[in-house]
Amino acid sequence: KAGVTQTPRYLIKTRGQQVTLSCSPISGHRSVSWYQQTPGQGLQFLFEYFSETQRNKGNFPGRFSGRQFSNSRSEMNVSTLELGDSALYLCASSLKGMGEAFFGQGTRLTVV
Amino acid sequence: AQRVTQPEKLLSVFKGAPVELKCNYSYSGSPELFWYVQYSRQRLQLLLRHISRESIKGFTADLNKGETSFHLKKPFAQEEDSAMYYCALSGQETSGSRLTFGEGTQLTVNP
Repeated sequence: KAGVTQTPRYLIKTRGQQVTLSCSPISGHRSVSWYQQTPGQGLQFLFEYFSETQRNKGNFPGRFSGRQFSNSRSEMNVSTLELGDSALYLCASSLKGMGEAFFGQGTRLTVV
Repeated sequence: AQRVTQPEKLLSVFKGAPVELKCNYSYSGSPELFWYVQYSRQRLQLLLRHISRESIKGFTADLNKGETSFHLKKPFAQEEDSAMYYCALSGQETSGSRLTFGEGTQLTVNP
């Protein structure tokens, strides 16, 4: 079966802009989680969506938001980009939000 | 609050030597512990989880609640084991999948 797909793979944005990242989970998976990975902070949980509802949220400012559609695809939006938002953003899906999480390849965001 | 600590950022061993990647956690409830691995230019993937009690690719990990540890072990390391290893925790009290990761250990197995 197809794995978790994230688009785009690479993005370059300027400070102050906004960006939307997309994640298509494995077919049948209803939970989608987002993580930010940076060399300094490692992997940090952003939020989780399950059946179109945000179920968990990490400690990130309100500039980071997301949503999930009825087909379980998810988008993550970052507004008013800052240089510190440069990171690899990973999406993970799981069947019910418990147990094994399957990760995508990530979207590399560079803010200049 | 939940926290995962991997004290070694880098670990280098020779092929055939035993390897142990350390992981300690802090969590007040009943955690579920995982080891994830990322090989070069590949996506992060699950290696094993404590409730499965499996041995995957020769690796095992035992949850020690007394010492709050979940160390990953392999008796004879292989060159293909070279990768980044992350220990992760999921708390049962937080519904859904919210993984707290350690900072990772880069394992290099030398020929």
